[in-house]
Amino acid sequence: DVKVTQSSRYLVKRTGEKVFLECVQDMDHENMFWYRQDPGLGLRLIYFSYDVKMKEKGDIPEGYSVSREKKERFSLILESASTNQTSMYLCASSVLAGDTDTQYFGPGTRLTVL
Amino acid sequence: RKEVEQDPGPFNVPEGATVAFNCTYSNSASQSFFWYRQDCRKEPKLLMSVYSSGNEDGRFTAQLNRASQYISLLIRDSKLSDSATYLCVVNNFNKFYFGSGTKLNVKP
Repeated sequence: DVKVTQSSRYLVKRTGEKVFLECVQDMDHENMFWYRQDPGLGLRLIYFSYDVKMKEKGDIPEGYSVSREKKERFSLILESASTNQTSMYLCASSVLAGDTDTQYFGPGTRLTVL
Repeated sequence: RKEVEQDPGPFNVPEGATVAFNCTYSNSASQSFFWYRQDCRKEPKLLMSVYSSGNEDGRFTAQLNRASQYISLLIRDSKLSDSATYLCVVNNFNKFYFGSGTKLNVKP
C-alpha cells in the first residue's frame, strides 16, 4: 500500500512564525503536491514537484515556498504565518500524470494560526 | 469561474436509494477525470476514474460527457457506509482541479 505521511495532524502557530510542514511518501513517486482545503472552496493547489529540486507554482502560491531535496520528501514552508493561512493542508503523491494517474493523499495537517 | 463546479448538497437519501451527482468543468481541453471520496476529517481517496465510454464498479457508475463538459456519478442501492463527500476531479495538463464536493447522507 502506498503510504503518504505528514509530520503533524494538528499544529497551532502564532502570526509571524515560520512554519514547516513535512510530507514523506514511501512508493518512489515522482510527483508530489501540496494543497489546502477550506470549506466551500475545495482543494486548491499551492505547489507541486515532478522531480527532486524541481518545483512549480500552483494556483495559490503566495505566502508559501517548498523544498524537495530528496525524492520521498516534499516540504511546505510558511515564511511568516498569517491568520488567513489557517486551513487543512494536504500532501499528495502520484506516479504519472495522465489518464491513469492516481493521487494518494496524506492524512492532512490542520494548521491554526493565532 | 471555477474550474470544477459541484452542487454541495447535502443529498439525504434512505438506504437502498439510487442517487446521482453531477459535476461540470470549464476547460474543454481537460484530459482525465476522477471521482474521489472524502470521509469526515479524513483525506480524499480515489473512488474511480471516469472514462469517455463510461465505467462501472459494482454499485457505482461514472459517465463523462465531453460535449457538455460534465461528469456524473451514480450510486445504486445506497448503503449507510456510502455517507461521505464526493469530490469531482479534473486533470488539465498535469494539474489536478478539485470540486468543493457533494455531501451524501444515507439514512436508515
